[in-house]
Amino acid sequence: NAGVTQTPKFQVLKTGQSMTLQCAQDMNHEYMSWYRQDPGMGLRLIHYSVGAGITDQGEVPNGYNVSRSTTEDFPLRLLSAAPSQTSVYFCASSYRGKTQYFGPGTRLLVL
Amino acid sequence: GESVGLHLPTLSVQEGDNSIINCAYSNSASDYFIWYKQESGKGPQFIIDIRSNMDKRQGQRVTVLLNKTVKHLSLQIAATQPGDSAVYFCAEMGMDSSYKLIFGSGTRLLVRP
Repeated sequence: NAGVTQTPKFQVLKTGQSMTLQCAQDMNHEYMSWYRQDPGMGLRLIHYSVGAGITDQGEVPNGYNVSRSTTEDFPLRLLSAAPSQTSVYFCASSYRGKTQYFGPGTRLLVL
Repeated sequence: GESVGLHLPTLSVQEGDNSIINCAYSNSASDYFIWYKQESGKGPQFIIDIRSNMDKRQGQRVTVLLNKTVKHLSLQIAATQPGDSAVYFCAEMGMDSSYKLIFGSGTRLLVRP
């Protein structure tokens, strides 16, 4: 199993540009989530999904959209990037929320 | 020493000593708690978990203690090794079906050789 994979590893955007961060898992996990981690801080939940076709907001959802059309994939979209969205983004998956497994992260810089 | 604000609290220990990392959680209704280890440039890695109906759980070289009365969680690492150097986060999950994990702010563990 590859576990949780994320692409790209690094990305630089200009303010106002859009992009999609990809996340995939091959463990047939129902639950997937996106977090952001700012320097010296813990992870904050952006959006999560308890199954295909179901998504909901976390602590910091503004500026981000998600969809879950398949069990395997959970992309995170930034429609109009802002410097405040400069962060490291982690995707995670789990079976019914327990023991969440994290991907390696995407480092995003918005200029 | 400790620092606050934008800087993570840091625990410095001698290799071979035991380490204790503490965490105060926020929600008295949380029923599941997890400790994660995060090495530089990597995603968080699961260490050990505990349910609210337990007050202690042991793994390999690690022990988690839960005190629900004061909403306190601790991670004990026995015979700390250089490879244990990382940032450690506690996380809590509530009893609803949302499976949302709320993370603490983390503690940096530095192991002196």
